Amino acid sequence: GAVVSQHPSWVICKSGTSVKIECRSLDFQATTMFWYRQFPKQSLMLMATSNEGSKATYEQGVEKDKFLINHASLTLSTLTVTSAHPEDSSFYICSARDMGTGSYNSPLHFGNGTRLTVT
Amino acid sequence: AQTVTQSQPEMSVQEAETVTLSCTYDTSENNYYLFWYKQPPSRQMILVIRQEAYKQQNATENRFSVNFQKAAKSFSLKISDSQLGDTAMYFCAFQSTEKLTFGTGTRLTIIP
Repeated sequence: GAVVSQHPSWVICKSGTSVKIECRSLDFQATTMFWYRQFPKQSLMLMATSNEGSKATYEQGVEKDKFLINHASLTLSTLTVTSAHPEDSSFYICSARDMGTGSYNSPLHFGNGTRLTVT
Repeated sequence: AQTVTQSQPEMSVQEAETVTLSCTYDTSENNYYLFWYKQPPSRQMILVIRQEAYKQQNATENRFSVNFQKAAKSFSLKISDSQLGDTAMYFCAFQSTEKLTFGTGTRLTIIP
């Protein structure tokens, strides 16, 4: 089945540094990937939609200069948390849809998530 | 904007029993999709079941079935013969465009 690989699975960084999270579709191509944020015991909140070859679309309230998204190929999207602060500590999850299915309503495939801790 | 509501933050049930998780949603769309996702302690999101709004027949996947009431905008998940491995967070989700909107989740615990 379709696999989405997310790396790293966990990262600890110091306040003020930047962290890059990768999301790869391993056996399918994805023109669109989605980035979510999940706080402890809460739901997944969509942060942005990553579009291959174009700018990402951010949800209301998400700082695009804080959370940089790059989708340079059909199999890779990256999320960079710039100048991270403790309040950015969270669980980040990416998902992708197999464009080969021809429908935007085909099921999403999720990565395993990245736990970010900013000290 | 669509909203998804799960009114049961936590539930627990004895192993082998049946449990029903509730979900309601609000939308003005006529064509959409509904999903139930499971998130075990590993945090991996796992698709449990999917329902197309244009289909009147309720979706089933082995021990999992839904009760889809379009007029009432209700989409409940029934888990039969519950197993210890069913312990997880369960999220109801709505999709009418390419985006997925999740409910707040129900933490389900299966008691041995």
